Amino acid sequence: RKEVEQDPGPFNVPEGATVAFNCTYSNSASQSFFWYRQDCRKEPKLLMSVYSSGNEDGRFTAQLNRASQYISLLIRDSKLSDSATYLCVVNAPIKLTFGGGTRVLVKP
Amino acid sequence: ETGVTQSPTHLIKTRGQQVTLRCSSQSGHNTVSWYQQALGQGPQFIFQYYREEENGRGNFPPRFSGLQFPNYSSELNVNALELDDSALYLCASTPGQGRNEQFFGPGTRLTVL
Repeated sequence: RKEVEQDPGPFNVPEGATVAFNCTYSNSASQSFFWYRQDCRKEPKLLMSVYSSGNEDGRFTAQLNRASQYISLLIRDSKLSDSATYLCVVNAPIKLTFGGGTRVLVKP
Repeated sequence: ETGVTQSPTHLIKTRGQQVTLRCSSQSGHNTVSWYQQALGQGPQFIFQYYREEENGRGNFPPRFSGLQFPNYSSELNVNALELDDSALYLCASTPGQGRNEQFFGPGTRLTVL
């Protein structure tokens, strides 16, 4: 079983719609959680950290469920520029363990 | 404040050769990590350096080695290159001071023929 698992997608999303996706992690000792965004052939860029109480950054909302060992990302009012691969990342400790990514395609 | 930089951007080598990739961490960041990203996959942790010492290592063979210098810049060395080493190699630096998010450089794309 992979340490961090994500649905690879693609999620085809109409512009303006809401999309949500999860990732699961296997290491219960995981301490920190992040969502990174990666555009084609570019480096991952930090989108947001994920806190136990859930957190929001503009149109993006992240949730953490430690009991079930999953984190989620919700994107509201999707923009064409949101098209990217979203990487779920778990830090436990020192190294970041990445999921394989969820590809999101926002279409007009 | 400058971000993480890496050199070279692209590199082509043949099987059996050796390669050195370089990374300059973001200003003030004293921890550097290296990742390998194969096409269509998430980045895989190679190792991390903190204050010039290896601070953790992923599931990579000893022919992957590294260094960190007093100015916190770093090198990744790969000996006896194999075809499967073809990938994007990413360097990331960490602010420290209780923060553990990592900030990535643009990567070096290595092709092994």
